[in-house]
Amino acid sequence: GENVEQHPSTLSVQEGDSAVIKCTYSDSASNYFPWYKQELGKRPQLIIDIRSNVGEKKDQRIAVTLNKTAKHFSLHITETQPEDSAVYFCAAILTGTASKLTFGTGTRLQVTL
Amino acid sequence: NAGVTQTPKFRILKIGQSMTLQCAQDMNHNYMYWYRQDPGMGLKLIYYSVGAGITDKGEVPNGYNVSRSTTEDFPLRLELAAPSQTSVYFCASSYRTGGNTEAFFGQGTRLTVV
Repeated sequence: GENVEQHPSTLSVQEGDSAVIKCTYSDSASNYFPWYKQELGKRPQLIIDIRSNVGEKKDQRIAVTLNKTAKHFSLHITETQPEDSAVYFCAAILTGTASKLTFGTGTRLQVTL
Repeated sequence: NAGVTQTPKFRILKIGQSMTLQCAQDMNHNYMYWYRQDPGMGLKLIYYSVGAGITDKGEVPNGYNVSRSTTEDFPLRLELAAPSQTSVYFCASSYRTGGNTEAFFGQGTRLTVV
């Protein structure tokens, strides 16, 4: 089955700096890679996703890149703000099959003033 | 459109008691999942279902059971509750394929076993 590794487990950046979170996956067939943000005491919510036929996707200050050859995908947050402080999870799945959504272990991002 | 609804939001159980966590979705999603999240930790998959009548184990299924008799409902049963099952439980659902395979989460059930 799929295995997703996520690094770092914690990340502290100053407001205005950029943050990068990296994930690797094991199943080369996986074709959908979402990123979830979980604020304290809340449910995880999708912030951005990418499919295997795309190398990069951007949404305002958030971008995701995918390297299928290396089986890596990364989340980039630019101009970080205090409200970006949360736990971020990456995930991977092969859609349209009986496979399951597999999450990384999470990254706790702290944006300091 | 309520999304994914979990009940109850909070529950305290005594060791050895049983209970069912309810999860319902109104988006006609094929996939449904149950995760548990221990304090400060990630999401661990307990069970999942790819459609009505089909369920499969995740990474931490021991002590739990599920059923999927309808597309909408995916209850999680805890038999003989143990302190190790103290956690926050999240139900999630998504489409199996198509242009939008986003997984939506319920608000969670905070369970304490004493």
